[in-house]
Amino acid sequence: DAKTTQPPSMDCAEGRAANLPCNHSTISGNEYVYWYRQIHSQGPQYIIHGLKNNETNEMASLIITEDRKSSTLILPHATLRDTAVYYCIVRAPTDSWGKFQFGAGTQVVVTP
Amino acid sequence: DGGITQSPKYLFRKEGQNVTLSCEQNLNHDAMYWYRQDPGQGLRLIYYSQIVNDFQKGDIAEGYSVSREKKESFPLTVTSAQKNPTAFYLCASSTGVGQPQHFGDGTRLSIL
Repeated sequence: DAKTTQPPSMDCAEGRAANLPCNHSTISGNEYVYWYRQIHSQGPQYIIHGLKNNETNEMASLIITEDRKSSTLILPHATLRDTAVYYCIVRAPTDSWGKFQFGAGTQVVVTP
Repeated sequence: DGGITQSPKYLFRKEGQNVTLSCEQNLNHDAMYWYRQDPGQGLRLIYYSQIVNDFQKGDIAEGYSVSREKKESFPLTVTSAQKNPTAFYLCASSTGVGQPQHFGDGTRLSIL
């Protein structure tokens, strides 16, 4: 069963912020939210992860709602190189090894 | 630079032949993983290994085999028993449970 729900695609204008939503209404208390992206024909790239607090790094910000049932990945100033499939994954540290379940993700296209 | 190296980038196999995909990491990670990705699909876990000389089946292990004789190496053999081997194969590693997985750039396998 899928643990996350993401829109299949979204467009974003270059230079604007891209806000990528993810629903995870059945998330457990010890499950983290991870975000990866995959540029065509390359391996997935880790972006960010968090438990309950908002997180920020050099690539993006992660906003998790107070009830933890949804989150948003924010790319503050999208560039053409941000065009990729973005995956939202929930996983607990105690999950069995390898249980990073990558779904279909969101295809993000950044346009000039 | 530390990272994960997969080779070759493209691989062609005749029907009935076994073929081995290489994955090497110099990140000193204990855990390594093999995933398969089909066009337009998410990643599916084939095998994973928590430590040297130990590995576990993932969700789609039939027709595949692995070995983990060295910490830095986790080769995947696609056997003739795998009926639909054409896919994009990705190797990953992580420091431990719950930690982000880091991916190689993949091997694209095609059947002649």
